[in-house]
Amino acid sequence: EAQLVESGGGLVQPGGSLRLSCAASGFRFSTYSMNWVRQSPGKGLQWISYITGTSSIIYYADSVKGRFTISRDNAKNSLYLQMDSLRADDTAVYYCAKVGRFDGFDLWGQGTKVTVAS
Amino acid sequence: DIQMTQSPSTLSASVGDRVTITCRASQSISSWLAWYQQKPGKAPKFLIYKASTLESGVPSRFSGSGSGTEFTLTISSLQPDDFATYYCQQYTSYSSITFGQGTLLELK
Repeated sequence: EAQLVESGGGLVQPGGSLRLSCAASGFRFSTYSMNWVRQSPGKGLQWISYITGTSSIIYYADSVKGRFTISRDNAKNSLYLQMDSLRADDTAVYYCAKVGRFDGFDLWGQGTKVTVAS
Repeated sequence: DIQMTQSPSTLSASVGDRVTITCRASQSISSWLAWYQQKPGKAPKFLIYKASTLESGVPSRFSGSGSGTEFTLTISSLQPDDFATYYCQQYTSYSSITFGQGTLLELK
C-alpha cells in the first residue's frame, strides 16, 4: 500500500530553522513529482513547493521563496523541506503530497505540525 | 496567481440530499481542476481530477463537472460519511497551484 509519513515538526522560535522529512513507501518514488502543502490552524490548504522526480524542476510559493528549500533523495525514498527564517505565520500542519499519474495530488501524508512561537 | 472561489462557504444538508458545491476560477483553467475531501484532523482525500474524472475507489455518488472558469462538485445522495470540508484546486501550472477556501458540508 502506498504511504507517505511526515516527521520533523515541532516548536521553534521566530527566526529559527526546521527540517521536515517525508518517507515514501509502496510506490516507485523516483518517478513521481512531489509537493509540500500546509494548513494554518482553522484555515484552508496552501500549496508551498513542488519538485519533479529528478529534482530538475522546483517551484515555490511567493510566501516561502528564499526561506524554504525543497529536496529529495530518491535512494532513500524521501522528500525534505528545509525551513529557515521561520515566522509566526508559518505555523501550520505541513503535508507532503504526491502528484498523481493524471495530475492532482493523489496521496497525502498524515501531516506534521510546526509551531513558530517564542 | 489564479484565485479560486468556492460557494457556499457552509452548506447544511441532510442524509439523502443532493448537494452541489461551486468553484469559480479568476481566469480560465480549462479542465485542470481537482476536488478533495477533508475531515477534521485528517489529511485531504483525492476525489476528482480533470474536473470530472473520479479517482479510483471514490463512490459514484460523487461527480464533477465544468470547464473554463466554473466547476461543480455534486453528491447525489448524501451519506453520513460525506459530512466534511471540500476543497477545489487548480493545477494549470505546478509553479502556482491554488486551492479554494473550502466548503464545510454540515448536518442540518
